Amino acid sequence: SSELTQDPAVSVALGQTVRITCQGDSLRTYYASWYQQKPGQAPVLVIYGKNNRPSGIPDRFSGSSSGNTASLTITGAQAEDEADYYCNSRDSSGNHLVFGGGTKLTVL
Amino acid sequence: EVQLLESGGGLVQPGGSLRLSCAASGFPFSSYAMSWVRQAPGKGLEWVSVISGGGGSTYYADSVKGRFTISRDISKNTLYLQMNSLRAEDTAVYYCAKLSTMTTSWYFDYWGQGTLVTVSS
Repeated sequence: SSELTQDPAVSVALGQTVRITCQGDSLRTYYASWYQQKPGQAPVLVIYGKNNRPSGIPDRFSGSSSGNTASLTITGAQAEDEADYYCNSRDSSGNHLVFGGGTKLTVL
Repeated sequence: EVQLLESGGGLVQPGGSLRLSCAASGFPFSSYAMSWVRQAPGKGLEWVSVISGGGGSTYYADSVKGRFTISRDISKNTLYLQMNSLRAEDTAVYYCAKLSTMTTSWYFDYWGQGTLVTVSS
């Protein structure tokens, strides 16, 4: 399968921890990358590889993987973290890429 | 500073053609694969196509294969997407993105701001 599945929406109380998950067969072979997208803006890479953050991404963002599931964890969610989050990976063929359907994160 | 600047979007009739461009700067253009990703209004991200650093390898999503062609001009540091036989469902913001690769992870580390393509009569 070349699909990645995400929950459409997740909410978290301000300052609490939230996990956003992404499931797909290709995740047994390849790591997911994660992107944050705010309304009207281009996506921004927040996690790549096993658990790497680009420069400028707060350390409250972390990634993990187990079996066919990748997770993005935000520890101590802030109001500015409210956004859509997408996972992405190579597909099982290795030559194509695929995105998850996205998760809308609401910070309460 | 890495910069990606798309252009070429606009309104086109169904069945028509359009060529998008993405001017890249701030990194060795020929050393990195590049990709196009699109986002229909109110929808999620959809990978469209990828081209290797040297331009010798290209891959496409099934939804555009046979209609779209990705290419690059290394002398101009520019990425292109030739879109033919356009359909209403191709309406989207098209982003160009720089692709970085590790053995078990490919990821888009830089994105342009996008260009809107509207297919409508």
